[in-house]
Amino acid sequence: AQSVAQPEDQVNVAEGNPLTVKCTYSVSGNPYLFWYVQYPNRGLQFLLKYITGDNLVKGSYGFEAEFNKSQTSFHLKKPSALVSDSALYFCAVRDREDSNYQLIWGAGTKLIIKP
Amino acid sequence: DTGVSQDPRHKITKRGQNVTFRCDPISEHNRLYWYRQTLGQGPEFLTYFQNEAQLEKSRLLSDRFSAERPKGSFSTLEIQRTEQGDSAMYLCASSLTGQVAEAFFGQGTRLTVV
Repeated sequence: AQSVAQPEDQVNVAEGNPLTVKCTYSVSGNPYLFWYVQYPNRGLQFLLKYITGDNLVKGSYGFEAEFNKSQTSFHLKKPSALVSDSALYFCAVRDREDSNYQLIWGAGTKLIIKP
Repeated sequence: DTGVSQDPRHKITKRGQNVTFRCDPISEHNRLYWYRQTLGQGPEFLTYFQNEAQLEKSRLLSDRFSAERPKGSFSTLEIQRTEQGDSAMYLCASSLTGQVAEAFFGQGTRLTVV
């Protein structure tokens, strides 16, 4: 069965420090991987996706994520955190061999950036 | 605003009543999805449409739930005989066709059943 795990409910980072939000996945085939961000009272916003090719994917707002096949991970990173990055972050996966186009979502990680 | 819009943003209803939500997707998107999200959880897939055709429906979806997309544009999600367990955020998303196409989400409709 497909699944996504975000092992941390909350991540606290000081402004200006690098941040990492962790995501691991399980699919039977090869994955398509996505990160979304949800700000308070706003809809989910697409950040970035991994389809194929370069394992390091760059996305919106200075975020990037690294696909690691051997560790089945797709951690979200940013070199220097901003207070405005504080939000809820969701990782999602889709099995590319699966004709069902559903995204499987993690439970989310609350990111708090302290000034 | 050319994003996905949902109406209403909030709905409070008494148990046993019927409710209907509307979603207007991005105009050129032919895929439309409905999700449900409860506090502390990621979105849970409910159903999706390719144009006007409903192609997939979650096994978790009670027969009290029905969705339509009659002209392949806007969609409605109806919940009949609401229960307190239906209280959640209902999210609509749209995308272009293709497995790799990212979905764009509306702000959601928050349903509270009292």
